[in-house]
Amino acid sequence: GAVVSQHPSRVICKSGTSVKIECRSLDFQATTMFWYRQFPKQSLMLMATSNEGSKATYEQGVEKDKFLINHASLTLSTLTVTSAHPEDSSFYICSARRTSGALGYFGPGTRLLVL
Amino acid sequence: GQQLNQSPQSMFIQEGEDVSMNCTSSSIFNTWLWYKQDPGEGPVLLIALYKAGELTSNGRLTAQFGITRKDSFLNISASIPSDVGIYFCAGQSSGNTPLVFGKGTRLSVIA
Repeated sequence: GAVVSQHPSRVICKSGTSVKIECRSLDFQATTMFWYRQFPKQSLMLMATSNEGSKATYEQGVEKDKFLINHASLTLSTLTVTSAHPEDSSFYICSARRTSGALGYFGPGTRLLVL
Repeated sequence: GQQLNQSPQSMFIQEGEDVSMNCTSSSIFNTWLWYKQDPGEGPVLLIALYKAGELTSNGRLTAQFGITRKDSFLNISASIPSDVGIYFCAGQSSGNTPLVFGKGTRLSVIA
């Protein structure tokens, strides 16, 4: 089956620093990647949708200047949490999709802890 | 926005018992999906349903796409300890739209 990886798997950072999370589709080209955030014992909440080569579409309430998304190639999307604060601590999960209408595959997630 | 109501929120069952969980929506979906998430991992797709009335099995798992296209259920037969985890339903209106997730059902299996 299709494989999606995320790096790092977990990261601890100080408040005010920026953190970059990578999402890679390892054996297929992903025209669309989705970024989700999941708080403990909560469901997945979509943050943004990114299409290769174009600007990401953010969900309502998600600050695009705080959560920078770059989908520069068909196999890589990055999420940068800028000036992270403790309330940004969460589990961030990406999903990659080959083409419109196809099912997406989820990455293993990145646990972010901001101190 | 669209919301999915998933129930039950949690379940404690004996090993060997059957399990049933369901999702209902206030709007129509053209695709229903069921995922399992283990602690600290991303969701893994269990079953995908594409047609109203469709009944699909994957080993001990069976899921159905409701006739009204506003609901779906997942059954697990003869549960085993490795079935422990959180099960999420997800609906999709069309191929271009993002998934909408239910709040999850936390399953615990007592050996």
